[in-house]
Parts: sequence; structure tokens; C-alpha cells
Amino acid sequence: AQSVTQPDIHITVSEGASLELRCNYSYGATPYLFWYVQSPGQGLQLLLKYFSGDTLVQGIKGFEAEFKRSQSSFNLRKPSVHWSDAAEYFCAGLSGGSYIPTFGRGTSLIVHP
Amino acid sequence: NAGVTQTPKFRVLKTGQSMTLLCAQDMNHEYMYWYRQDPGMGLRLIHYSVGEGTTAKGEVPDGYNVSRLKKQNFLLGLESAAPSQTSVYFCASRVLRRGGHNEQFFGPGTRLTVL
Repeated sequence: AQSVTQPDIHITVSEGASLELRCNYSYGATPYLFWYVQSPGQGLQLLLKYFSGDTLVQGIKGFEAEFKRSQSSFNLRKPSVHWSDAAEYFCAGLSGGSYIPTFGRGTSLIVHP
Repeated sequence: NAGVTQTPKFRVLKTGQSMTLLCAQDMNHEYMYWYRQDPGMGLRLIHYSVGEGTTAKGEVPDGYNVSRLKKQNFLLGLESAAPSQTSVYFCASRVLRRGGHNEQFFGPGTRLTVL
């Protein structure tokens, strides 16, 4: 069965520190992969997506993600976290020809001053 | 261009009451989705639609009905609300474009409490 796993429920970092949020996928073939961010009381907003080509993807708000086929991972990174990055982050996968993305359970990012 | 809008933003119901949540998108997207979000459960798909006049069940469809009479609108109905339906409901839309790697656009959510 297709699945997307975010192993970390909560991540706490200090402002200015680097960040890596993990996402692992299980699909028969390489899926399209997405990272979304949800600020408190808001809907989800796309940060970035991967569908082919360069395995390092740049997104909005200074985020990037690296697709690693050998590890079935699509981890989200940011070199220096700002307090405004505190939010819920969701990884999602979508196989070609499917209507329905599969979401991970989400990772809550807490930023300490 | 308003994107995806949801009406209402908040609602409190008593057990057994009915209501309809409205989702509207102005991007001419073919696909529309209804999710519920509960603490620790992530997003769970209730129903979805791949085009005007078509709907399909998602992961947790029981107790909900949907309709897509117009391409831009996707309605979610609760015929007899139960406390277990207390949740935040999100609507999303996605364009049909060759390649299939298109992202979803989400509305701001409707917070529903059933007493």
C-alpha cells in the first residue's frame, strides 16, 4: 500500500538553528512529492514539490528538500529557522494517474527564541 | 482571485442538527476534496470529486454527503450531526493538467463543534 511517513510528531529548534524534517515514502514507483505548511488557524500552503529532474528542490520561505531514491526520502531543510516558521508541516505523495494524495501525519515545529 | 473559500468559518451544532459546508474555488479546477483534521490524526479524506456532477468516497465518508452541481462549488452535508464530527474541515482543489504533479490549493477551514 502507498504510504507517507513523518517519523517525528514534534521538533523543537532554537531560532537561527538549522532544521531538517523527515519524510519517507512507500510507493511502487517514484511518486510526486510535496511539502505543505500549516500556520495556526490556517489552511495548508505549498512549500515545494518534486516530480522529476534535479533532486534538490527549492521552495518558498527559504526551504529546500532533497529527494533520495535510495532512501525513499524527501526531507525538508532550512539553514536558519525564524520564529515565524513555527507551524505544522505535512509531507504528501501522489502516484502518477491517481486523484488522491497521501499525507503524512504531520510534524509540529516549535521554535524557541 | 480569491482561490479556495469556505463558508462558514465557525459553527456550533447540537446533536442531530443538519448543516451544509460550502467550498468555492475560482481557479477552474477539476478536482475538489473535503478533509477533516483532528489532533494527532493528520488529514483524512471524506469525499472527493473529479469533475462537475461526480463524487466519490474517501477514507471516512460515513455521516457525510456531498454534491458538485457546479464546477466551482463542492458542498459537504451533515444530515444528523454527531459529537464525533467535531473537527476542522478543509476543502482543497487541484487542476487537471498533463503530468499530474499538480499541488492542491486549500481553503482556510471550517471549525465545527457538535454538542
